[in-house]
Amino acid sequence: EVQLVESGGGLVQPGGSLRLSCAASGFTVSSNYMSWVRQAPGKGLEWVSVIYSGGSTYYADSVKGRFTISRDNSKNTLYLQMNSLRAEDTAVYYCARVVVIGWYFDLWGRGTLVTVSS
Amino acid sequence: AIQLTQSPSSLSASVGDRVTITCRASQGISSALAWYQQKPGKAPKLLIYDASSLESGVPSRFSGSGSGTDFTLTISSLQPEDFATYYCQQFNSYPWTFGQGTKVEIK
Repeated sequence: EVQLVESGGGLVQPGGSLRLSCAASGFTVSSNYMSWVRQAPGKGLEWVSVIYSGGSTYYADSVKGRFTISRDNSKNTLYLQMNSLRAEDTAVYYCARVVVIGWYFDLWGRGTLVTVSS
Repeated sequence: AIQLTQSPSSLSASVGDRVTITCRASQGISSALAWYQQKPGKAPKLLIYDASSLESGVPSRFSGSGSGTDFTLTISSLQPEDFATYYCQQFNSYPWTFGQGTKVEIK
């Protein structure tokens, strides 16, 4: 079955760090563009980051310099390393697969909740 | 960054109604626009890509149109399962951005 499963969310204090994982099955992460999208409680969707199949990465201005997207090809898993976390980073984080012919997210995980609070 | 403004932000409609949601981009994005449906507690679901292409498995009552700066999502005959929040998203340039969402509620 083709699916994405996020993990690693939880409660973290402001200034802390957290690493999210997104395990893929049914397809190869490294052959695809993969992205993270977040949604603060009761709010809309916000794109966070993307990693190309070739390894190039892009970030939203709100997380640039604090978050790092990466992947482990041997584990077929996408990651989001989040440092210097702020209260405004509190959100459900979704990983998603990008289809580059047509450009869209065709496959989403169920999300993992990150809460930044003291 | 390209801003996407959806209108209306919310609407009330009845089953069987024709519903139109508009997404306006702050600058031209060609046809690099997708539409998603999201229900509470669930991940978004792709409806339309490339502004007007219907995703496989999505009912034909959903349609998209537009290019450049003005885009429309139309539901030709609203069904009970269509009550949800709808988002547009542009892929023309970084940072990729979403509209603020349109909540479709039952009248």
